[in-house]
Amino acid sequence: DTAVSQTPKYLVTQMGNDKSIKCEQNLGHDTMYWYKQDSKKFLKIMFSYNNKELIINETVPNRFSPKSPDKAHLNLHINSLELGDSAVYFCASSQDPGNEQYFGPGTRLTVT
Amino acid sequence: GQSLEQPSEVTAVEGAIVQINCTYQTSGFYGLSWYQQHDGGAPTFLSYNALDGLEETGRFSSFLSRSDSYGYLLLQELQMKDSASYFCAVSEDSSYKLIFGSGTRLLVRP
Repeated sequence: DTAVSQTPKYLVTQMGNDKSIKCEQNLGHDTMYWYKQDSKKFLKIMFSYNNKELIINETVPNRFSPKSPDKAHLNLHINSLELGDSAVYFCASSQDPGNEQYFGPGTRLTVT
Repeated sequence: GQSLEQPSEVTAVEGAIVQINCTYQTSGFYGLSWYQQHDGGAPTFLSYNALDGLEETGRFSSFLSRSDSYGYLLLQELQMKDSASYFCAVSEDSSYKLIFGSGTRLLVRP
């Protein structure tokens, strides 16, 4: 009974390719997030959706496009991948604003 | 600007008590959260303080002083499994955004 799941867990791809990461939560939460964690473990929010509406859009290159088909799913599509995109990407969800967030297992993206 | 400062690394002995401090400078403040992350794992929620004082949850407690822009996480009766990274995070307002500190790596030794 995974609360927040992501696929794939690992993604290795070449520069210039386009890839997607999928996220699903079965907690009934209204809000979902995408975070990027770099090699120094710094965790930074990228996007947040509340009931399928984009509510947080941090300074992220427009090569990154989130899509929320329904409130249980939040996918991340990345165009024209660059070496600097290599990181672990975490999806998360919460019921209440801000504090208690439930994270997925992460997707380790390696761009070569 | 926004900044959260925490020590990069702390070492303690099994059974001991350790305190991980977090000072913050943000444009607004709504609450302070703590997350634990084991190597290769996902961050997991530990605690949340919106008001001054101490919140206790089992072996873990979290403290907040809004006037000092300061909080800490206190871990008691340390166990080997507590070896992990610990992140403080600030909610600047009632929105859904968390700003994370750079994390404190805790190493528990036998």
